[in-house]
Amino acid sequence: QVQLVESGGGVVQPGRSLRLSCAASGFTFGVYGLHWVRQAPGKGLEWVTLISYDGSKKYYADSVKGRFTISRDNYKNTLYLQMNSLRAEDTALYYCARGTGGYDYHMDVWGKGTTVTVSS
Amino acid sequence: QSALTQPRSVSGSPGQSVTISCTGTINDVGGYNYVSWYQQHPGKAPKLIIYDVSKRPSGVPDRFSGSKSVNTASLTISGLQAEDEGDYYCCSYAGSKTVAFGGGTKLTVL
Repeated sequence: QVQLVESGGGVVQPGRSLRLSCAASGFTFGVYGLHWVRQAPGKGLEWVTLISYDGSKKYYADSVKGRFTISRDNYKNTLYLQMNSLRAEDTALYYCARGTGGYDYHMDVWGKGTTVTVSS
Repeated sequence: QSALTQPRSVSGSPGQSVTISCTGTINDVGGYNYVSWYQQHPGKAPKLIIYDVSKRPSGVPDRFSGSKSVNTASLTISGLQAEDEGDYYCCSYAGSKTVAFGGGTKLTVL
């Protein structure tokens, strides 16, 4: 079945780095844009970043621009999020989601998320 | 990139209808017919229930409907059921390949 499975979350000190992964299965990975969306504890959803189907175009929320980098490996059917210079406010459950429709904006498949905690 | 504005909570009794609003600007909701809605139950991932303002993915009951007027999108749930209780988020394309979410609305079925 169509599935996204995130991994790589954990506890990290402020200023350090972490890389998240999202393994896809059950669909043709290389034709879809992919998003990362996060949800801080008890808070709402926040869009983080989008990558085009071929990895050539990447877009970021202002809150992470210059610190986070999205990438993908279409041979391994895997999406990544490299997070540098982490801050306490980056603490959240991070979801990967498949984008579809115009501008890939709506997200029709979601993973269950991986938790990132930034704390000293 | 500003969040879209949703009411923090709404409630209704089983069988009734409720409407959740989502207000943005000409730069997001008002500028594109690319509004989607997501349902989230506690401890679960969001689920797409409306896209392109008013389209329903396969498997979503027709009790869920969406609309838009100028800069405000709306989600209406008719014939409320207990299982509809949860959080609802609107989402809009916001130009330059960015996306904006609303702050979320907690729906309570009385």
